[in-house]
Amino acid sequence: EVQLVESGGGLVQPGRSLRLSCAASGFTFDDYAMHWVRQAPGKGLEWVSGISWNSGSIGYADSVKGRFTISRDNAKNSLYLQMNSLRAEDTALYYCAKNLHMDVWGKGTTVTVSS
Amino acid sequence: EIVMTQSPATLSVSPGERATLSCRASQSVSSNLAWYQQKPGQAPRLLIYGASTRATGIPARFSGSGSGTEFTLTISSLQSEDFAVYYCQQYNNWPPGGTFGQGTKLEIK
Repeated sequence: EVQLVESGGGLVQPGRSLRLSCAASGFTFDDYAMHWVRQAPGKGLEWVSGISWNSGSIGYADSVKGRFTISRDNAKNSLYLQMNSLRAEDTALYYCAKNLHMDVWGKGTTVTVSS
Repeated sequence: EIVMTQSPATLSVSPGERATLSCRASQSVSSNLAWYQQKPGQAPRLLIYGASTRATGIPARFSGSGSGTEFTLTISSLQSEDFAVYYCQQYNNWPPGGTFGQGTKLEIK
């Protein structure tokens, strides 16, 4: 079964850091681009960051550029999102998704930024 | 940055009727356009990619059309399980990104 499982979310104070992980299974992880997408409470979907299969191409939304870093470890079938200088507006459910057109999604991990 | 605009924000349709949702890109995205369905408390589900190709397991009542800057998702003969929020997303200018529209809520009339 193709599966993505996010972890690492939690409550964090403004200005602090958090690292999200996404464990992939059931498919050849290093064949696909991967993404992070977030959804603030009651709001729509926001693409956050994406990375190509070999990490050669990486992109970020303007809202997180310079603060977030995406990476992947193909040997571990894992995707990561290092989030620094967190702000209240980063509070959201964070999903990882597979492929340029996101054909598989995880259930998400919740990040709450609050003092 | 490519901006995706969906219309209408809310669409009220009766079961059994047809629903037509629109998505416009601020510049051409060719056919690199996907549609997703999201129900409350669930992750989004891919419906359409490449503007018109149904994803695996998606019923034939869902169809997508368009290219360039204008796209349409049509749901023929709405079923009760189709009432949800629908998002379009472009993936033409990746990297850097894959921007989403703001969503259309499809509700029961």
